[in-house]
Amino acid sequence: KAGVTQTPRYLIKTRGQQVTLSCSPISGHRSVSWYQQTPGQGLQFLFEYFSETQRNKGNFPGRFSGRQFSNSRSEMNVSTLELGDSALYLCASSLGPGSGYNEQFFGPGTRLTVL
Amino acid sequence: AQKITQTQPGMFVQEKEAVTLDCTYDTSDPSYGLFWYKQPSSGEMIFLIYQGSYDQQNATEGRYSLNFQKARKSANLVISASQLGDSAMYFCAMREGPGAGSYQLTFGKGTKLSVIP
Repeated sequence: KAGVTQTPRYLIKTRGQQVTLSCSPISGHRSVSWYQQTPGQGLQFLFEYFSETQRNKGNFPGRFSGRQFSNSRSEMNVSTLELGDSALYLCASSLGPGSGYNEQFFGPGTRLTVL
Repeated sequence: AQKITQTQPGMFVQEKEAVTLDCTYDTSDPSYGLFWYKQPSSGEMIFLIYQGSYDQQNATEGRYSLNFQKARKSANLVISASQLGDSAMYFCAMREGPGAGSYQLTFGKGTKLSVIP
């Protein structure tokens, strides 16, 4: 069974630009969560989607947005990039509510560098 | 207040020896889950072990075991017979609330484990 895939793996952008990151969950998984990892702040929750609906959102500005498609694939978008948005963005997939402890499987991440 | 505290930024252990990584948590929710993840230098988070707040026994998965002390709100990870491949960052994480709710994980700052040959 294929794992969680994230594209692209590496990205370099300049301040003010926008970026879209993609996540394909494990087949059969309907829940996708996004996390930002930086050396200073550690791992922080961005948002969670289940069945195309955002179930929860972390404490991030409105420049960070996301969506989930009917095939459970998810995208997150960051507009008007700032230097502080440089981070490893991790996507995690899980079966969804009612599935035991609903272990989250993480992808390899997208490393975003903002210059 | 931090919800997950990992007090050891870095740890060293001799190959083949056991090591304990500390994790304390803070929640008022009676239903919660505790997770440990390993993150090698490649960046991918690898799930190691899970402990539910209502689980009566400590979780074990191969060389990994979780020393769950509910009253002390601690969930320490024990790695037995350390291997060189165990060198990585280790994160403790918590999910609060019942299964029907959000699956948001709150992570600690992590412990960098280095295994010495």
